[in-house]
Amino acid sequence: QKEVEQNSGPLSVPEGAIASLNCTYSDRVSQSFFWYRQYSGKSPELIMSIYSNGDKEDGRFTAQLNKASQYVSLLIRDSQPSDSATYLCAVKNSNSGYALNFGKGTSLLVTP
Amino acid sequence: SAVISQKPSRDICQRGTSLTIQCQVDSQVTMMFWYRQQPGQSLTLIATANQGSEATYESGFVIDKFPISRPNLTFSTLTVSNMSPEDSSIYLCSSTRGSDYGYTFGSGTRLTVV
Repeated sequence: QKEVEQNSGPLSVPEGAIASLNCTYSDRVSQSFFWYRQYSGKSPELIMSIYSNGDKEDGRFTAQLNKASQYVSLLIRDSQPSDSATYLCAVKNSNSGYALNFGKGTSLLVTP
Repeated sequence: SAVISQKPSRDICQRGTSLTIQCQVDSQVTMMFWYRQQPGQSLTLIATANQGSEATYESGFVIDKFPISRPNLTFSTLTVSNMSPEDSSIYLCSSTRGSDYGYTFGSGTRLTVV
């Protein structure tokens, strides 16, 4: 089983701060990486996808990928209380066709 | 991204019965998947729903327990058979047009077996 590891948290940051979420993966040939946000009782919502080494920015969100070190991270700038949710890291698993393999998620709490 | 309509949104079922969950996508997609998410846990892949052929199941999941259909490119069903309380979970379908596109999720089915 190819693993995707995340710190379960909770990660608590004050409003306006930068939240940094990290993820490591074991499948060295993985090519596609995704960050999902999941509010309690809701289904996962795609925030970012990243396929190449380096940074990818979209609004307040920046995804960072380092394939050599097998980690992917998500930065949330100017964190808002509405960002409080569980953030799931997902990797396209080479052993399951095109299906995604998910980490356990990091719970983020943004305090006013 | 595709929009997925999933139903029912929740159900309470008696042990030993079966429940069929349906997902309808608003556009043609290449791949459809079924996941289970137990309380406080992440998503576990049950199977890949293959159009016009038998689903591909992950280790620990079998066709007799979780029969899946995908008669066309936009529709799939998952049946949870002979249910026990251990099957109480959220079941989610997902779809993609390819791994270079996003994967979207249905709203989920919260199943409680009593």
